[in-house]
Amino acid sequence: SQQGEEDPQALSIQEGENATMNCSYKTSINNLQWYRQNSGRGLVHLILIRSNEREKHSGRLRVTLDTSKKSSSLLITASRAADTASYFCATDAPGNQFYFGTGTSLTVIP
Amino acid sequence: NAGVTQTPKFQVLKTGQSMTLQCAQDMNHEYMSWYRQDPGMGLRLIHYSVGAGITDQGEVPNGYNVSRSTTEDFPLRLLSAAPSQTSVYFCASRIMTGYNSPLHFGNGTRLTVT
Repeated sequence: SQQGEEDPQALSIQEGENATMNCSYKTSINNLQWYRQNSGRGLVHLILIRSNEREKHSGRLRVTLDTSKKSSSLLITASRAADTASYFCATDAPGNQFYFGTGTSLTVIP
Repeated sequence: NAGVTQTPKFQVLKTGQSMTLQCAQDMNHEYMSWYRQDPGMGLRLIHYSVGAGITDQGEVPNGYNVSRSTTEDFPLRLLSAAPSQTSVYFCASRIMTGYNSPLHFGNGTRLTVT
């Protein structure tokens, strides 16, 4: 399987705290993307980092990428109850194939 | 824009039955794909297409067929349903100009095979 893995599988934090989730992948990549999935819904794109970038910010999101270790992390700062969802990393690999990680389930307690 | 539309939302099949899951997008995206999502497994790519008339296999293609006769539509066919195909199915599309574009997802079809 070319799937990546995410760590932790589940994360529970208080509102206002920061949430960090990690992703490891196996293939060479054009870019790495993070998605959010609310229960019973499709995935929504959050942020994309290219293979030649090391860090990227978007609002309360910060993504890092280490291609030598084939790993990425997503930091959500000042979390809100509305951030409760599952988060997936996805690698955009050469050959037009996306490989998704197994996901992190985030619960933000008000 | 409706984005990516999947029908039906729910479906129950008996083993051996066939059906087609529909996917349509109105964004003129060249790339379309099908995923299945199972608990603890994330999303796994079934088939994908980079344009009308072109399809290719992903990680888990067995038991599924696809065709791409138009840019807008990318149906997924189950020829003889099996309980192992019980899953949530997502269709996704993206623009292919250059690289570095995100996938746009439909809301999924929940399929149960008894």
